[in-house]
Amino acid sequence: GESVGLHLPTLSVQEGDNSIINCAYSNSASDYFIWYKQESGKGPQFIIDIRSNMDKRQGQRVTVLLNKTVKHLSLQIAATQPGDSAVYFCAENSGPTGNQFYFGTGTSLTVIP
Amino acid sequence: GAGVSQTPSNKVTEKGKYVELRCDPISGHTALYWYRQSLGQGPEFLIYFQGTGAADDSGLPNDRFFAVRPEGSVSTLKIQRTERGDSAVYLCASSSTGTEGDTQYFGPGTRLTVL
Repeated sequence: GESVGLHLPTLSVQEGDNSIINCAYSNSASDYFIWYKQESGKGPQFIIDIRSNMDKRQGQRVTVLLNKTVKHLSLQIAATQPGDSAVYFCAENSGPTGNQFYFGTGTSLTVIP
Repeated sequence: GAGVSQTPSNKVTEKGKYVELRCDPISGHTALYWYRQSLGQGPEFLIYFQGTGAADDSGLPNDRFFAVRPEGSVSTLKIQRTERGDSAVYLCASSSTGTEGDTQYFGPGTRLTVL
C-alpha cells in the first residue's frame, strides 16, 4: 500500500522579513538547549545555544528565547535570507552524562525571494 | 581544517546482511556521537564515546547495533542482521571535550537502505 510520510511543520517568509520558529521541549530537567540548521543532504549545523539559567541569548541575526515555565524555545532570525532556507531543529540535553541530545521533529523554513 | 567525514555516503544492503559505517571525527576531538535520522524526523541519539570508551550507549535500539572506537579517533557503527526498519541516515558528530556547551560538529551522514 501507499506509505504516508510524516509532514514537518513549515514556515514560509518573504526575504527580509523576520522569522520565528518555535519548539516545545519535554524534559523539565534539561538545562542546555541548542538550535541546529540542516540543509538537504547535510548534517545539522550548530546555530546558537542557551543554558537554563538564561532566558534570552543573541547571536548574529539570531536570538533564542527560553521559557522554562511552559518548556518552550523559540528561534528568531532577523532579516531572513534565501540561504536561511533549511530545516531547523531544537535539541535538549538529557541522559546520565548530559550528553544525550533529544531533537525535536524540526520546522522547514522556506524563504521566498 | 577538515570536518567530520563519514563513509560510505550511501549504502544499500539486503535484509539480514551485516554493515559497517565509518566516522572520522575532527582531529583531536575526544567526544564522538552517533545518531540515526529517519525521514522527516530529528536525529535520534544512539551512542556517545569519550575517548575509546562508550560513555553512554543507552540509545542503541537493540543488540544488533554495536559501535567501537578502538584508538579514540575513528569510530565504526556495526549493524548485524539488518532489517528494513534500519533504513535511515546515520549521522556522526564530534566535539572537542564532550562537556556541556561544547559544540557538536556533524558529518554529512551515511544513508543506509535495507532492501
